[in-house]
Amino acid sequence: SSELTQDPAVSVALGQTVRITCQGDSLRIYYATWYQQKPGQAPVLVIYGRNNRPSGIPDRFSGSSSGNTASLTITGAQAEDEADYYCNSRDSSDNHVFGTGTKVTVL
Amino acid sequence: QVQVVQSGGEVKRPGASVKVSCKASGYTFTSYGISWVRQAPGQGLEWMGWISAYNGNTKYAEKIQGRVTMTRDTSTSTAYMELRSLRSDDTAVYYCARESEKREPEKMATIFFQHWGQGTLVIVSS
Repeated sequence: SSELTQDPAVSVALGQTVRITCQGDSLRIYYATWYQQKPGQAPVLVIYGRNNRPSGIPDRFSGSSSGNTASLTITGAQAEDEADYYCNSRDSSDNHVFGTGTKVTVL
Repeated sequence: QVQVVQSGGEVKRPGASVKVSCKASGYTFTSYGISWVRQAPGQGLEWMGWISAYNGNTKYAEKIQGRVTMTRDTSTSTAYMELRSLRSDDTAVYYCARESEKREPEKMATIFFQHWGQGTLVIVSS
């Protein structure tokens, strides 16, 4: 299957740790890429490849992978981390696929 | 610095066509591919396809194959996405994004979108 499945929503207390997961067969072959999207804004790249952060992304964001599951962890969540998060990968036809998205609420 | 600037919003009738532009600057245009991604209101991200800025090769998502054409003009560093036979469910924000690649051991190369346009709202309504 080329689908990437994410939990629809998670919540985290301010300063605590939250892990967002993404499941799909393609993740056995490809690393996931993670994007953050706030309302009315374009997505922003937060993690790519094995565990790489673009310049400007805080080091509280990290990525990991095991089997068919990729994870994005926010360690010490801040209010500004409240957003939708999408994973992305490619399928067997080399097409991009986005996950279903996870809404993160910081309490 | 890399910038990707899209054309303005459009309102179209069902059955019409729309062409969205994506002008890149701050890098060598022909060195990177451009993908197009859309987002219907309240929905997730949907990849539409890709164009090589180098040679114009394209790859389209199966869902819209036959209705979409992606082109580029290297003289102006601009990519275009044309969608035909518009329907109400094509109403969405359309984004272009510049691709980059990361090669690491253990898995296939990662293609990721580091630079996004601001988005173009296309409304299809009678």
